[in-house]
Amino acid sequence: GENVEQHPSTLSVQEGDSAVIKCTYSDSASNYFPWYKQELGKRPQLIIDIRSNVGEKKDQRIAVTLNKTAKHFSLHITETQPEDSAVYFCAASMTGTASKLTFGTGTRLQVTL
Amino acid sequence: DAEITQSPRHKITETGRQVTLACHQTWNHNNMFWYRQDLGHGLRLIHYSYGVQDTNKGEVSDGYSVSRSNTEDLPLTLESAASSQTSVYFCASSLQRQETQYFGPGTRLLVL
Repeated sequence: GENVEQHPSTLSVQEGDSAVIKCTYSDSASNYFPWYKQELGKRPQLIIDIRSNVGEKKDQRIAVTLNKTAKHFSLHITETQPEDSAVYFCAASMTGTASKLTFGTGTRLQVTL
Repeated sequence: DAEITQSPRHKITETGRQVTLACHQTWNHNNMFWYRQDLGHGLRLIHYSYGVQDTNKGEVSDGYSVSRSNTEDLPLTLESAASSQTSVYFCASSLQRQETQYFGPGTRLLVL
């Protein structure tokens, strides 16, 4: 089955700096890659996703890039703010009967003042 | 407003007891999922369903079962609770496969 690895497990940045979280996946058939944000004590919520026919997608301060050849994708957060502090999960899935999500182990992002 | 709810939000039980966690969504979503969340493991899929009467095993299904008798509900049953099943359980739903999954608020389960 699919295996998703996520790095780093923790990341501390100063407010205003950029943060990058990286994930690799094992199954070349995977074609959908969402990112979820989970604030402390809350439920995970989708923040951005990308499909394999696109190399990059942006939404305000958040962007995701995908390298299908290397089988890795990354989340970029620019101009970080304290409210960006949370755990971020990447995930991967493929079309068809196996379109369930396989999640990475999460990155705890701490934005310090 | 449409939503996804879980009950109970907190549960303490003893080893060997049967426990059922409820998940109810009012979006009329076909797809429903159960995950467990443990430190260092992220979110791991237990069972999922793509429609009424359809259920499938995820990566950590041993000791758990689900049934889907209607669109709105996917209850998760722990047949004989074990301490290793102490965790936070999230259910989720989505309208289409490979679309946004909306998570419930979670159930914190402690097995003593």
